[in-house]
Amino acid sequence: DQQVKQNSPSLSVQEGRISILNCDYTNSMFDYFLWYKKYPAEGPTFLISISSIKDKNEDGRFTVFLNKSAKHLSLHIVPSQPGDSAVYFCARCKVIFGPGTSLSVIP
Amino acid sequence: DGGITQSPKYLFRKEGQNVTLSCEQNLNHDAMYWYRQDPGQGLRLIYYSQIVNDFQKGDIAEGYSVSREKKESFPLTVTSAQKNPTAFYLCASSRGGWASGGSYNEQFFGPGTRLTVL
Repeated sequence: DQQVKQNSPSLSVQEGRISILNCDYTNSMFDYFLWYKKYPAEGPTFLISISSIKDKNEDGRFTVFLNKSAKHLSLHIVPSQPGDSAVYFCARCKVIFGPGTSLSVIP
Repeated sequence: DGGITQSPKYLFRKEGQNVTLSCEQNLNHDAMYWYRQDPGQGLRLIYYSQIVNDFQKGDIAEGYSVSREKKESFPLTVTSAQKNPTAFYLCASSRGGWASGGSYNEQFFGPGTRLTVL
């Protein structure tokens, strides 16, 4: 059973500080992981991805870290901006999504 | 302007009726997907199609049906057999199938259809 878990339903961060969103997964195999951002009543939009052959991928303010031994990945957003307030989903091989973490960036 | 469209945005249906949700993409993507989102939950895969005239059941396919007669279109029918059809439905597409990575990695999502059963 391949699962993706996001154990924090919500997170609040001050503007300008770092936001760290976490994701855990079960079972090991060659995988791609993706992070999506979703506003209410809209479809998710792709943020960043990482292959399991890498430890880190960076794109502007967004960095994803993959710890294969711990089966854990994290999305770092720095500096956080109010427009980053949304629900963030971790996904595995496109079709397996975590429950999401709602990020609130406080001005 | 390439993208993926879903219609209608809001849909109401009476209990016991079938209803079809539209999904169209002009991105020339091979793969298309249907997801359902319930409050406080992530996206759950209903059906996916990696090529025309072929589709596979996802985790929650019971009570749903799809067709893929054209590359651009992947309509979803919510049948009366679906016990809890009220939800937010999302359609997506990608260049490659679910297992592919690299530049084929990303899914593009439509704006969603909120279905309410009265």
